[in-house]
Amino acid sequence: AQSVSQHNHHVILSEAASLELGCNYSYGGTVNLFWYVQYPGQHLQLLLKYFSGDPLVKGIKGFEAEFIKSKFSFNLRKPSVQWSDTAEYFCAAIEAAGNKLTFGGGTRVLVKP
Amino acid sequence: GAVVSQHPSRVICKSGTSVKIECRSLDFQATTMFWYRQFPKQSLMLMATSNEGSKATYEQGVEKDKFLINHASLTLSTLTVTSAHPEDSSFYICSAQGQGVNEKLFFGSGTQLSVL
Repeated sequence: AQSVSQHNHHVILSEAASLELGCNYSYGGTVNLFWYVQYPGQHLQLLLKYFSGDPLVKGIKGFEAEFIKSKFSFNLRKPSVQWSDTAEYFCAAIEAAGNKLTFGGGTRVLVKP
Repeated sequence: GAVVSQHPSRVICKSGTSVKIECRSLDFQATTMFWYRQFPKQSLMLMATSNEGSKATYEQGVEKDKFLINHASLTLSTLTVTSAHPEDSSFYICSAQGQGVNEKLFFGSGTQLSVL
């Protein structure tokens, strides 16, 4: 079955530290990938997405993600986090030819001021 | 961990009929449930937010008379697509959250609706 795995459930770090969140998927074919964020008290927002082209994707708020096909990975990164990046982050994948969107379990990030 | 069950996973219906999709939180009380729609080649679109016991809050552009949302209990929310048309064909996914702004969000497995 198609699945998306986020191996870190909780991440705690200090402001200005670098962040990397892992995401692996199990789709066999062409896949579209997303990172969403949910800030406390708000609904999901799209950070970035990958459909094709440059595997290094730039998103909003200084986030980027790299699609590595050979590793079935789409890790999210931010060089220097801020307290306002405290949120839960979700990776999601969908087969390019399909419609079913699958989410990872989410990673809760806490940035200490 | 907590589980959100969404049913059915796939439904095919005739144009003009209504379809009900259920979203259940299996081991926690979901005070808030969200309904999303996934369009091909796009990101998720939030349709509405429902809080148990109150009317759903719909996003701009979503027809509340067409997409009826009921959140009658702390473990069940339903989305009914009324008088479905082919353009309603899409992937619908729910998510559920417990009480409190820091409660974790859990996703259902989604429903693929095809309207003929």
